[in-house]
Amino acid sequence: GAVVSQHPSWVICKSGTSVKIECRSLDFQATTMFWYRQFPKQSLMLMATSNEGSKATYEQGVEKDKFLINHASLTLSTLTVTSAHPEDSSFYICSATVLGPKNEKLFFGSGTQLSVL
Amino acid sequence: GESVGLHLPTLSVQEGDNSIINCAYSNSASDYFIWYKQESGKGPQFIIDIRSNMDKRQGQRVTVLLNKTVKHLSLQIAATQPGDSAVYFCAENSETGGFKTIFGAGTRLFVKA
Repeated sequence: GAVVSQHPSWVICKSGTSVKIECRSLDFQATTMFWYRQFPKQSLMLMATSNEGSKATYEQGVEKDKFLINHASLTLSTLTVTSAHPEDSSFYICSATVLGPKNEKLFFGSGTQLSVL
Repeated sequence: GESVGLHLPTLSVQEGDNSIINCAYSNSASDYFIWYKQESGKGPQFIIDIRSNMDKRQGQRVTVLLNKTVKHLSLQIAATQPGDSAVYFCAENSETGGFKTIFGAGTRLFVKA
């Protein structure tokens, strides 16, 4: 149980285009999902908290107009990187919480490697 | 976004030896701590967790130690195997900012056969 599916696994796009990444909880309902990004040889940095049916909460320094998050159902959150540029190239990882209101135990997707040319 | 540190130290151990990976966390209000294992190109995988009212917790071949006085966590892996080679992250969760998990710097573990 507690499987999080992330799609696509990798994507290459041209500068200026938009890319959508999907995160699905396959066997549970996730009212809260989290989006992280990870640069090579670095840690995971929290970008935003995605709440079903409401606006996402973004971390300081993360542009909400550039990284659009939609959490329209209890099993799906999407991250859209708008007008992507080479500096947006990174590994994006989503996670969902299963137990309780403290969002403690996270299950992670397999990540999406984004390369912007 | 938040992150605790941006460096990735490396630990190299011989197969069969015990490994100790250390982590310093940032928020004294954190009350839940987790160790994750991340293999190349994959998402993090849960290993073991511990709450702030404990100082030690054991799992299968792994032990987590928590020292709240100095805000330090450690992960001990017994009889390290080649399959343990990965990057290990500590993470902390607190009510600060709304119950979110913040990751530490990570340590790359190499297991030599």
